[in-house]
Amino acid sequence: AQSVSQHNHHVILSEAASLELGCNYSYGGTVNLFWYVQYPGQHLQLLLKYFSGDPLVKGIKGFEAEFIKSKFSFNLRKPSVQWSDTAEYFCAVNERYSSASKIIFGSGTRLSIRP
Amino acid sequence: KAGVTQTPRYLIKTRGQQVTLSCSPISGHRSVSWYQQTPGQGLQFLFEYFSETQRNKGNFPGRFSGRQFSNSRSEMNVSTLELGDSALYLCASSSRTSGRTGSTDTQYFGPGTRLTVL
Repeated sequence: AQSVSQHNHHVILSEAASLELGCNYSYGGTVNLFWYVQYPGQHLQLLLKYFSGDPLVKGIKGFEAEFIKSKFSFNLRKPSVQWSDTAEYFCAVNERYSSASKIIFGSGTRLSIRP
Repeated sequence: KAGVTQTPRYLIKTRGQQVTLSCSPISGHRSVSWYQQTPGQGLQFLFEYFSETQRNKGNFPGRFSGRQFSNSRSEMNVSTLELGDSALYLCASSSRTSGRTGSTDTQYFGPGTRLTVL
């Protein structure tokens, strides 16, 4: 069965620090990969997605993620975080040949930024 | 375009009651999916509707049901509420389901309905 692992449950950084949130998935076939963000009191928003092509994907608000197929990973990065990046981040995967709705989410990583 | 809207935003019910939640997708989106979000279980897929038909279903008991109307609006119903049903229920819409070349669609989420069962 497919699964998504986000090993860091809570990450605390200072402003301007660099960020990398880990995401590993288990599935042998072709997948679509997503990162969603949930700011406090707000709904899930799509940060970025990978379907095919360049494995380095750029998203909104300066975030990027790199798909490394050999490592089954899709880590999220940002070179310099801001206090406003405080949120919960969810990695998600769905099988390319299934419905878009059959998406598996990781357990989430809570990011706290110290001003 | 307006985003996905969900009503009500907050709901308090007691055990044994039933509840109906509503979701209006983004205009033009025909697929509506429902998810349950809890601190312990995270985000879990409930079901998906497309063109008024349930296309996919997650691993939830039959107390959880839904439907979709011709205008793509969807409702989710939970009967005989249990304490463990307290959660944030999220609705997401997308413009189409997968085809023979695979799915390259994206889910857009609404703000959710916070259900508390006492």
